[in-house]
Amino acid sequence: GQQLNQSPQSMFIQEGEDVSMNCTSSSIFNTWLWYKQDPGEGPVLLIALYKAGELTSNGRLTAQFGITRKDSFLNISASIPSDVGIYFCAGQGNTPLVFGKGTRLSVIA
Amino acid sequence: DTAVSQTPKYLVTQMGNDKSIKCEQNLGHDTMYWYKQDSKKFLKIMFSYNNKELIINETVPNRFSPKSPDKAHLNLHINSLELGDSAVYFCASSQTGNIQYFGAGTRLSVL
Repeated sequence: GQQLNQSPQSMFIQEGEDVSMNCTSSSIFNTWLWYKQDPGEGPVLLIALYKAGELTSNGRLTAQFGITRKDSFLNISASIPSDVGIYFCAGQGNTPLVFGKGTRLSVIA
Repeated sequence: DTAVSQTPKYLVTQMGNDKSIKCEQNLGHDTMYWYKQDSKKFLKIMFSYNNKELIINETVPNRFSPKSPDKAHLNLHINSLELGDSAVYFCASSQTGNIQYFGAGTRLSVL
């Protein structure tokens, strides 16, 4: 089945730093989604991407749908303490949505 | 109003018991899902229902039985609970099959 490799697995950064994480797939996706999960809560959608090459921003967050349709990245600029959480990429091709294993972000004030 | 709501939020029970988790969505979506998140935070789909019909049934023990009385509800019944069933169970819903909206999760601990 389809697999997603998400990296890094975890990150420790200083407040104010920029963050980058990415996902790669073994096969082509038609949709890439990025979710954030706060402690004790369910994943919340941050950004949805539907077209190869698409670059979309949501406040300090920017995500891109790779032109090969096999990868996506998420950037967070000027991180703040509330950015702490687990970020998941998710992709959908001809099969149900597949989730990456998450990037655990810690922000040191 | 909460879009996708699950009850209970916490469930602690003994091995061998039978328990149910309920999920309701008020988004008007036609597809609902159950996911299991293990201690390493891996999210794995278990079931999906579209308009009350089962469309995804991943490799899940048959002790787990989903039931959808209507398209706004998808409940999960678990028989003969085992230690390995301890996890966080998330309900989600979608309209297009792409963007899924998640509930806050049910934290199941089997002792």
